[in-house]
Amino acid sequence: AQSVTQLGSHVSVSEGALVLLRCNYSSSVPPYLFWYVQYPNQGLQLLLKYTSAATLVKGINGFEAEFKKSETSFHLTKPSAHMSDAAEYFCAVSGKGSQGNLIFGKGTKLSVKP
Amino acid sequence: EAGVAQSPRYKIIEKRQSVAFWCNPISGHATLYWYQQILGQGPKLLIQFQNNGVVDDSQLPKDRFSAERLKGVDSTLKIQPAKLEDSAVYLCASSKERDTPPWDTIYFGEGSWLTVV
Repeated sequence: AQSVTQLGSHVSVSEGALVLLRCNYSSSVPPYLFWYVQYPNQGLQLLLKYTSAATLVKGINGFEAEFKKSETSFHLTKPSAHMSDAAEYFCAVSGKGSQGNLIFGKGTKLSVKP
Repeated sequence: EAGVAQSPRYKIIEKRQSVAFWCNPISGHATLYWYQQILGQGPKLLIQFQNNGVVDDSQLPKDRFSAERLKGVDSTLKIQPAKLEDSAVYLCASSKERDTPPWDTIYFGEGSWLTVV
């Protein structure tokens, strides 16, 4: 069975500071990993995805994530936080046999202080 | 390109009443999903369609939830009778063919917010 665990339900950073949102996965098959962002009262938008090509994945809005098989991690980072980054972030996993369905973590709410 | 359309956006009903949500996926997308997102949790798949056939409905509470996708385009999710614990956001999503990895991007609608009182 596949699953993801997001460490920290709420992360607060100052504007301009590094953003680090943690995600660990569990999968018995080679995983495909995703980060989605959800702004208030909106649906989910894909930030980036890992599909077994490069281990360092660059996404939209300056975000990137690195796939580390040895650590079973796929942490999301951004060098400098903007106020507009305040949102909820979800890590998700998919894999062979899942028909492409996504299994989501519980989410991490990011707050950005001025 | 138009996104995934959902309606209604907000609905308040009393327990034991029924409710229906409608979804129109992105044009040309063969796969359609309904997810349930309870406050404070990540989305959970309820049902997945490939064209008008069901691929996965293992987490759909079939005693009260039903979904259909006639003609392989629009879809309707119905809850009858509703319970208090059904209060959630119901997200519709779509993607192109999902037969083989790497999976095509799943695009989400803005969701239908249900409050059961």
